[in-house]
Amino acid sequence: SAVISQKPSRDICQRGTSLTIQCQVDSQVTMMFWYRQQPGQSLTLIATANQGSEATYESGFVIDKFPISRPNLTFSTLTVSNMSPEDSSIYLCSVRQGTLDQPQHFGDGTRLSIL
Amino acid sequence: GESVGLHLPTLSVQEGDNSIINCAYSNSASDYFIWYKQESGKGPQFIIDIRSNMDKRQGQRVTVLLNKTVKHLSLQIAATQPGDSAVYFCAEGDGSNYKLTFGKGTLLTVNP
Repeated sequence: SAVISQKPSRDICQRGTSLTIQCQVDSQVTMMFWYRQQPGQSLTLIATANQGSEATYESGFVIDKFPISRPNLTFSTLTVSNMSPEDSSIYLCSVRQGTLDQPQHFGDGTRLSIL
Repeated sequence: GESVGLHLPTLSVQEGDNSIINCAYSNSASDYFIWYKQESGKGPQFIIDIRSNMDKRQGQRVTVLLNKTVKHLSLQIAATQPGDSAVYFCAEGDGSNYKLTFGKGTLLTVNP
């Protein structure tokens, strides 16, 4: 499966600031996704990152708060804007190859704490 | 909306025993199901998946069973080892999109 690298692996930020998380894959992938995992909780899909076009956001997530870029088939960024303590979570990138038969694979996530 | 849930939030087993982790789903349109293992400090790791045209699928030491009648999914781990200790998530998806809906997770603890 593809090797997925996320940067940074963790960060502590001040409220009101923004942080951009990078997701790099070692091979071209069809689909890339961003998830949030709040402490002790399950994963919630934020958006699907679409190459060359605007991301598709899930209910409860908006572009102004979580702008996403995907300039090519191996790279995506998620920005968490105007952060508050409620944004303290693990943010995970996942990828999926080609056909429906291929499972999603995840990076190790970015652990974000907001003071 | 519809969601995936788990019967047991925690499961403790002895090393060498078999483990069974259960998951209930409510979206009848779901036709793809997947199990992940998440160790502390890491992202979810793919274990095994199954499509709705099957009721059983086996991997290395793991078996997934799907009962569409009662909308139930289970993961069986044979000869559980300490390295199997982790949180296990089930997730569902449907054929029209590639999005996954995750269940709450079960913490499996293997006692030596």
